[in-house]
Amino acid sequence: DAKTTQPNSMESNEEEPVHLPCNHSTISGTDYIHWYRQLPSQGPEYVIHGLTSNVNNRMASLAIAEDRKSSTLILHRATLRDAAVYYCILRDTGAGGTSYGKLTFGQGTILTVHP
Amino acid sequence: DTGVSQNPRHKITKRGQNVTFRCDPISEHNRLYWYRQTLGQGPEFLTYFQNEAQLEKSRLLSDRFSAERPKGSFSTLEIQRTEQGDSAMYLCASSAPNSHHEQYFGPGTRLTVT
Repeated sequence: DAKTTQPNSMESNEEEPVHLPCNHSTISGTDYIHWYRQLPSQGPEYVIHGLTSNVNNRMASLAIAEDRKSSTLILHRATLRDAAVYYCILRDTGAGGTSYGKLTFGQGTILTVHP
Repeated sequence: DTGVSQNPRHKITKRGQNVTFRCDPISEHNRLYWYRQTLGQGPEFLTYFQNEAQLEKSRLLSDRFSAERPKGSFSTLEIQRTEQGDSAMYLCASSAPNSHHEQYFGPGTRLTVT
């Protein structure tokens, strides 16, 4: 799987939007962009994924650059519960759209949310 | 609770002992993954099952490690002759048939080898 680059840490204030960047300049055409987060003392949690178009769900939005070499996870109103490590992961769906599905995590971005 | 469960949550063992961890995936999830996470690092993939078949193993999974999923439901991960370097959080995840994107993780088993 292609490599991603994320800032080591970011800070935000409660109820403000947070934009978490991810660079993936070597992304291939079949790589999906996934975001997971890991709250303290918990296993990782799926947040969102996308291929080319921007995506929204109840947790966050994913903005994907037109050339797909970067993406941004957007938390619209940060809460204290959003303090976590956020991982940007590329995963190839493989030939025929199937994949064993393993996730290759980097070190992620530690998000601190201030009250 | 219908999430992924792992037992035990914590295990302290002496070097050289064998340990076994259990993972119960979400019902009807046919895919099961094991990962290992050390302090300050992201999780690292260890192995993957589809139903009872072990389809992929990482090079991290030395011959002291063995994983099984005998009936395609729960899975066990055994570490023989534990070493201090095995101290880590062992995470299990599962995903549904035809779902290539969402993996649901358990809380993990924290192993400490003294």
